[in-house]
Amino acid sequence: QSVLTQPPSVSGAPGQRVTISCTGSSSNIGAGYDVHWYQQLPGTAPKLLIYGNSNRPSGVPDRFSGSKSGTSASLAITGLQAEDEADYYCQSYDSSLSGSNVFGTGTKVTVL
Amino acid sequence: EVQLVQSGAEVKKPGESLKISCKGSGYSFTSYWIGWVRQMPGKGLEWMGIIYPGDSDTRYSPSFQGQVTISADKSISTAYLQWSSLKASDTAMYYCARPAWFGEYEYYFDYWGQGTLVTVSS
Repeated sequence: QSVLTQPPSVSGAPGQRVTISCTGSSSNIGAGYDVHWYQQLPGTAPKLLIYGNSNRPSGVPDRFSGSKSGTSASLAITGLQAEDEADYYCQSYDSSLSGSNVFGTGTKVTVL
Repeated sequence: EVQLVQSGAEVKKPGESLKISCKGSGYSFTSYWIGWVRQMPGKGLEWMGIIYPGDSDTRYSPSFQGQVTISADKSISTAYLQWSSLKASDTAMYYCARPAWFGEYEYYFDYWGQGTLVTVSS
């Protein structure tokens, strides 16, 4: 059972904007630890999408953006495209779990 | 170019031992930590632990402490994940990944291996 909770699924039509929440607690996101996001396309390894709450690695389209507030973080995808259909995971450090860097429960994004 | 190349898929029986590998290239292997992540069939990602090949300092998730052994051979730039007695519940995809640190405790994984599928079945 992960300490970072995400909605199991979100969906949107091509061109729309979708957001994925990552809800934590006072021992992880709420304690000020940064949140990172990964995209996992079907049958492939995860890929870093956002690091340090809102930073995009080179090559990641600016359609993807991240933010953090309080004990939660969000990933937004604007101008949704068919190739964005994938699983998305947040990740952060949790001070109550002996130094564990934990992943969120994961969200499946479906492009309608 | 940084690359993490993992060993191939394995099919084992319960009770057998197994060691899978992750070879790093394109960077100084002894200067970066390597982590392992489990993904059970149809499930999410789980952080297992990390190792610093330079001095073999290893840190485990409480969920995996005592269940697996993480090691590294810096002479061949390879990290390992090992089981002494596999269970059916160890059936999963296992990924190695390189952490990028930005604080005393915090990091994200910037490079990933392609994954090793481990199937444990009688």
